This record gives sequence, C-alpha cells and structure tokens, in this order.
Amino acid sequence: QLQLQESGPGLVQPSETLSLTCTVSGGSISSTTDHWAWIRQPPGKGPEWIGSISYVGTTYYNPSLRSRVTITIDTSKNQFSLRLSSLTAADTARYYCAKEDRRASARGRLEYWGQGMLVTVSS
Amino acid sequence: DIVMTQSPLSLPVTPGEPASISCKSSQSLVYINGINYLDWYLQKPGKSPQLLIYSGSIRASGVPDRFSGSVSGTDFTLKISTVEAEDVGVYYCMQALQTPWAFGQGTKVEIK
Repeated sequence: QLQLQESGPGLVQPSETLSLTCTVSGGSISSTTDHWAWIRQPPGKGPEWIGSISYVGTTYYNPSLRSRVTITIDTSKNQFSLRLSSLTAADTARYYCAKEDRRASARGRLEYWGQGMLVTVSS
Repeated sequence: DIVMTQSPLSLPVTPGEPASISCKSSQSLVYINGINYLDWYLQKPGKSPQLLIYSGSIRASGVPDRFSGSVSGTDFTLKISTVEAEDVGVYYCMQALQTPWAFGQGTKVEIK
C-alpha cells in the first residue's frame, strides 16, 4: 500500500520561504504513469492544487502561485519537495502531498494522499 | 482557468434516503479520447480527501456501489443511492482536463 508523509516546519515567519518534503513509501516515485502533487487547503476552505512534478523533473504549476513555487524531486530518496517563497498570512493552510495519475484513462486522479501538514504563517 | 461550481453548498440528509450533489464546469471537460476528466472526493472530518469517482463515472477501488457519478454536457452529478451515517463530510468535484486542476467549493453533507 502506497503511503505519503509530509514533513517540515509547522510555523513560518512572514516573508520567509516554506520548505516541505513528501516521503513516498510502499512504491517507487520513478513511475512513468504518475506525477507527484502538492495541494493546500486553508482553514475552512476548499483544496487548491499548487502543482506537480514527474519523475524526470517536468513541472506544472498553478499560475496563481507560479512566481513563488518550486517543486523538485529526488528519486534516490523517493521524495519530492515544495518551496514557497515570500509567505504571507494568506498562505496559512494544511499542505498535502498526493500521487497524481497521468494515464489517459484516469488523468488527474488523486488516489493517494498524505495526512497533511498544517503550516501557519505568523510572526 | 476552468471554474467549478457546486450546489447545494449544504445538504442535510436522512439515513436510508438518496442524495444528490451537482457540479458544473465553466467549459467542457471532454478530452479528445472522449473521457470527461472530472473526479469526486469526500473529505471526512479531520481527514485527507479520499477519491470516490474518477473520469466522470468510474468508482475508485473500495468505494461502495451506492456512490455513482454521471455526466450531461458540463453538468456532473454525484448520487448516493442510500445514505449511511458514515457518508457525512464535505464532497468536492475536481476537473483534471487542463492545469491548474480546480476544485469546487464543496458540499457539506450532514445528518438531519
């Protein structure tokens, strides 16, 4: 059974950069049919897709965050990471990592999610 | 960007009765292969979203057959044939035709 686990700081200062890592276990991150996604959910609101990355490092970002987001992948560690810069209070959210299916029959399908990590932006 | 609009935003339900949630996309979600790239998720209280339906009408592995998805143009419907108490939570639709994938506002289902 595939499992994903987010890790990183739970509290970040305004204007600083958030760095989160997602560790994948129970399967390989080097899959040609999957991308690896970051999604966030502000308190009391719906989810927002941040972006995703393939095992060869091809990235797709939400245009609303593109100028501040970088997603990277480390296949040797079975991990992928998120960096979000110039943080404000509006970036306070639970951040999830997920496996994103990229097969034509099921594109976008987010079948496996991490438990999520609450990140608070505050001084 | 594609915008997803759900209704209703709140849905009180009675166990044993059917329930229905609507999701409308701002444009067609049909790809050249004929597949509608629309998924449904349920987020139970305090949990991560879980996949219910993908590609418009295909139930995900382990999802009870009381859940079904249907499509009519840009209108998508999630139906629960007989609601059970464990079905409470917030239901989201999500389009995956073109990035950025976009979620609806959510429909909160609670027991009357």
